[in-house]
Amino acid sequence: NAGVTQTPKFQVLKTGQSMTLQCAQDMNHEYMSWYRQDPGMGLRLIHYSVGAGITDQGEVPNGYNVSRSTTEDFPLRLLSAAPSQTSVYFCASHRGAGNTIYFGEGSWLTVV
Amino acid sequence: QQQVKQSPQSLIVQKGGISIINCAYENTAFDYFPWYQQFPGKGPALLIAIRPDVSEKKEGRFTISFNKSAKQFSLHIMDSQPGDSATYFCAASIRAGNNRKLIWGLGTSLAVNP
Repeated sequence: NAGVTQTPKFQVLKTGQSMTLQCAQDMNHEYMSWYRQDPGMGLRLIHYSVGAGITDQGEVPNGYNVSRSTTEDFPLRLLSAAPSQTSVYFCASHRGAGNTIYFGEGSWLTVV
Repeated sequence: QQQVKQSPQSLIVQKGGISIINCAYENTAFDYFPWYQQFPGKGPALLIAIRPDVSEKKEGRFTISFNKSAKQFSLHIMDSQPGDSATYFCAASIRAGNNRKLIWGLGTSLAVNP
């Protein structure tokens, strides 16, 4: 009964480093997405996927890459971390458009 | 036209009181309005949702009131409890081609004092 699992929970990066935030869901959901949450900014969509092999940009995609090779996994890659990417990142999944979105517990990322 | 405006940004309520959070939208094409609840250190979780053909939906102590003509909807938490202290997000969903797009409010931080 895992739902949406994100790793790592906490990470500190130096400016310019790269890393991947992992996300896996065990609900066989078609749709997966990545959000970032910043104080006063709410939830902003970074990238999303409507199925394996299909990804698209959200509201704030710059500096991030995604891929969806399987239904279960949707990793988020930071290519060259910047302090502006310090945030809390949430992975989410849902069965179809308009259905309940299930969020992971978040990944706290600090870029120094 | 795609925005969802949420107010207040923060709210303090005494235990047993009523918490009211309001959201307003412009685009009449929105057709699904969920509320998500987020506890500190956790991801948001669906609390309650409504479609515009209904003026009110109640689930336990939580009620959504929907005013289609005013393009406003609100969350009412009756008999507020300290355990309700969380951030609440309203959202509105709209069809976007073959998919759907969810527009989020900026959130309301609710503190219920014991």
